Amino acid sequence: EPEVTQTPSHQVTQMGQEVILRCVPISNHLYFYWYRQILGQKVEFLVSFYNNEISEKSEIFDDQFSVERPDGSNFTLKIRSTKLEDSAMYFCASRKDSQETQYFGPGTRLLVL
Amino acid sequence: GENVEQHPSTLSVQEGDSAVIKCTYSDSASNYFPWYKQELGKRPQLIIDIRSNVGEKKDQRIAVTLNKTAKHFSLHITETQPEDSAVYFCAASIPALGRLYFGRGTQLTVWP
Repeated sequence: EPEVTQTPSHQVTQMGQEVILRCVPISNHLYFYWYRQILGQKVEFLVSFYNNEISEKSEIFDDQFSVERPDGSNFTLKIRSTKLEDSAMYFCASRKDSQETQYFGPGTRLLVL
Repeated sequence: GENVEQHPSTLSVQEGDSAVIKCTYSDSASNYFPWYKQELGKRPQLIIDIRSNVGEKKDQRIAVTLNKTAKHFSLHITETQPEDSAVYFCAASIPALGRLYFGRGTQLTVWP
């Protein structure tokens, strides 16, 4: 069964550095999402992406964040200048056009020192 | 925006007992309510979902009920097994937006 994949599984970076988190959504899915989960807190929506553009973003998704679909398979989240509070588990999700079910990737655990 | 509250945060039951997790939501426009199970170190997996045009849905030992008037929905697991131990998240979604609003999660532990 196809699954959403994410790389890397873990990322440690210094404050102020740029990070790129990568996701490969399920191949026939058209909607893509990024969520994050700070340790001990609820999963929070960051951004949704459809038809090569952002369809919605939360207040968390400020100018430090950007998303891109550089080719037909990858979907990336870039954090330009990481802060300590960006430390979290980042989940990518995707869904088909005709269904509401979102399928999640295994997550990237980001630690900002 | 939507706000989803989930209770309890932890739940311990004996194998074979039932477990109930409850969620409330604030926006009456929400119409899709999935439940995800997340085992330690693994991805959230959808276990059951319900849409606002039905009041109950069952899949073997798992059932979900929805009360639109009261804006709450619940997950019921019967005949619990140790492998049911995980964190369970409820979520709500508003049509045309697609984003999921999650509850804080419930750590369910089933003791053999």
